[in-house]
Amino acid sequence: DAGITQSPRHKVTETGTPVTLRCHQTENHRYMYWYRQDPGHGLRLIHYSYGVKDTDKGEVSDGYSVSRSKTEDFLLTLESATSSQTSVYFCAIKLQTGFGYTFGSGTRLTVV
Amino acid sequence: GENVEQHPSTLSVQEGDSAVIKCTYSDSASNYFPWYKQELGKRPQLIIDIRSNVGEKKDQRIAVTLNKTAKHFSLHITETQPEDSAVYFCAASEAGGSYIPTFGRGTSLIVHP
Repeated sequence: DAGITQSPRHKVTETGTPVTLRCHQTENHRYMYWYRQDPGHGLRLIHYSYGVKDTDKGEVSDGYSVSRSKTEDFLLTLESATSSQTSVYFCAIKLQTGFGYTFGSGTRLTVV
Repeated sequence: GENVEQHPSTLSVQEGDSAVIKCTYSDSASNYFPWYKQELGKRPQLIIDIRSNVGEKKDQRIAVTLNKTAKHFSLHITETQPEDSAVYFCAASEAGGSYIPTFGRGTSLIVHP
């Protein structure tokens, strides 16, 4: 759907375990983004990528790392999951026309 | 950096009424202002956007206005319908470069039948 997919859709994990979320695009976009969404905070940028192996931090990057070894895949890793990382995570790419985003379907992550 | 304030956080209207959501931004370099709609459990989706060289843009029942001098922009929905119920996010960014917008915190619009 819209050339961007996320996996898994839902995940429950234990505190202290590493977790990796995957974003896959078929649009050959240079830019990819990871956001988290929490009630009352809107959408906050975690990390973004501007090309293979080129990434940068967003406003809430602590506790997260990313990797982009191929244009189509952007991975988000929670190095040691904490309860504060319970959230809905969205990946995004820029739309083909204009400057807006298209978002993936999201991953609901629960850290217990 | 950019700061985007969005009001109100919740808006309740009767079907057929108009709804207005307002956002202010701080960075005068911002020149692209999109609005996203997020239905419950779904992804945010772009519904309308405006560039700073335009003061108003319409698409059927929705419109966006921009006041560059005052650094605020608004979403207007006329003849609201129950399917308009959703969370709406505004955002501001420079159109270009890394395309990273700053989002408002969202407005939950409830349209009562």
